[in-house]
Amino acid sequence: TQLLEQSPQFLSIQEGENLTVYCNSSSVFSSLQWYRQEPGEGPVLLVTVVTGGEVKKLKRLTFQFGDARKDSSLHITAAQPGDTGLYLCAGVYSSASKIIFGSGTRLSIRP
Amino acid sequence: ETGVTQTPRHLVMGMTNKKSLKCEQHLGHNAMYWYKQSAKKPLELMFVYSLEERVENNSVPSRFSPECPNSSHLFLHLHTLQPEDSALYLCASSLTRASPLHFGNGTRLTVT
Repeated sequence: TQLLEQSPQFLSIQEGENLTVYCNSSSVFSSLQWYRQEPGEGPVLLVTVVTGGEVKKLKRLTFQFGDARKDSSLHITAAQPGDTGLYLCAGVYSSASKIIFGSGTRLSIRP
Repeated sequence: ETGVTQTPRHLVMGMTNKKSLKCEQHLGHNAMYWYKQSAKKPLELMFVYSLEERVENNSVPSRFSPECPNSSHLFLHLHTLQPEDSALYLCASSLTRASPLHFGNGTRLTVT
C-alpha cells in the first residue's frame, strides 16, 4: 500500500508565528504537489516540486522537496489568519499516471 | 471560479432515492476524476476517466455509477446509498493523468 503521511494532523497557532508541515513516504515520487483547501471549497494547487532538493517560495510559504524525492516540507513564516485551511500534499508517480494524497494538515491561525 | 463546476452544492437524500451529481469543465482537460472526502480520512479516489474512457475504479460499491458522456462532463449516479456514504464528493480534472488537479467546490451529500 502506498502511503503518504502528513504531520501534524492539526495545528493551531497564533498569528505571526512560524510553522512547518511535513509530508513523508517510503516511495520515490516523480514530483510532489501541495494543495490548500478552504472551508466550503475544493483543494487548490499551491505548487509542484520536481527536482530532489528543490526549494520553491510563494510569498511567506517555502516548499522543499527532499533530496531522495520521498518527502517534502511546507514552512510558513509569520502566519496570517488567511493561511487557515487544510493543507494536502500529493505524490505523483508519472510512470503509472497516478497521484496519491496525504491525510492532510488542518491549520488554524488565531488572530 | 475554479474552472470546474459541480452541482448541486448540497444534497440530502434518503436511502431509497436516486440522484445524480454533475461536474463540468471547460479547461480542455483530458482526464476527470471523482473523489470522496470524509472527515478524518484522506481523499479517496473513486473513478478516473481519461479521454472519456474509465481507466480506474477503486473498488467502489456499485451503488455509485459514473458516466462520462464527453470530455467536458462527468456524472456520478447514486442509488440506494447508505448513511456512511455521507461525505463531500469532489470532481477534478487535469490535462493528463499526472498533471496537477483542478477541483470543483464539491457536493456535500447527506444520506438519511
